[in-house]
Amino acid sequence: DQQVKQNSPSLSVQEGRISILNCDYTNSMFDYFLWYKKYPAEGPTFLISISSIKDKNEDGRFTVFLNKSAKHLSLHIVPSQPGDSAVYFCAASEGTYKYIFGTGTRLKVLA
Amino acid sequence: EPEVTQTPSHQVTQMGQEVILRCVPISNHLYFYWYRQILGQKVEFLVSFYNNEISEKSEIFDDQFSVERPDGSNFTLKIRSTKLEDSAMYFCASALTGSNQPQHFGDGTRLSIL
Repeated sequence: DQQVKQNSPSLSVQEGRISILNCDYTNSMFDYFLWYKKYPAEGPTFLISISSIKDKNEDGRFTVFLNKSAKHLSLHIVPSQPGDSAVYFCAASEGTYKYIFGTGTRLKVLA
Repeated sequence: EPEVTQTPSHQVTQMGQEVILRCVPISNHLYFYWYRQILGQKVEFLVSFYNNEISEKSEIFDDQFSVERPDGSNFTLKIRSTKLEDSAMYFCASALTGSNQPQHFGDGTRLSIL
């Protein structure tokens, strides 16, 4: 089941710069998208979400962009901080109860 | 900030034994979920639960699995006869509503089947 894909397993960014994490999906019926952050030995922590009627949602340092025609989702973190170092998962749902998760991208923010 | 709590953090069980994983969802949430993550793989949906019944389940959630909300606070996942391939992190989640609301996850139970 490859409906949600994160093609970059890892990303390194300098502190203070922008981190851009990407996610592609194949199911055009998805209507709600989310980003989660995960530290080792903890559960996924909700960061930000966007519904398919929008193309951008912003919350502090985090902005999610949705390009429905390209079936592409991205998360921008600016400025990046060392505490942002974690695994980031995108997830999607099609108005049902279940989320389909990507495989995750490990972000390392270098001080 | 309210959170989802899961116990135990690590469960070791012999193959063929029954295991019950426990979760206390966020108190005003109405929708409850179980997911699992096998080492090195994606987080996968198992089941959703609302109004004391299963709303949706995946093909993973076969007859060996069951869920229950035995009282007003706990939400449990039971695996009747565990198999080696059930070894995984199991995450409980809860949400205020069923759609277009984020699910909030617990820290998981690591289940190891010997």
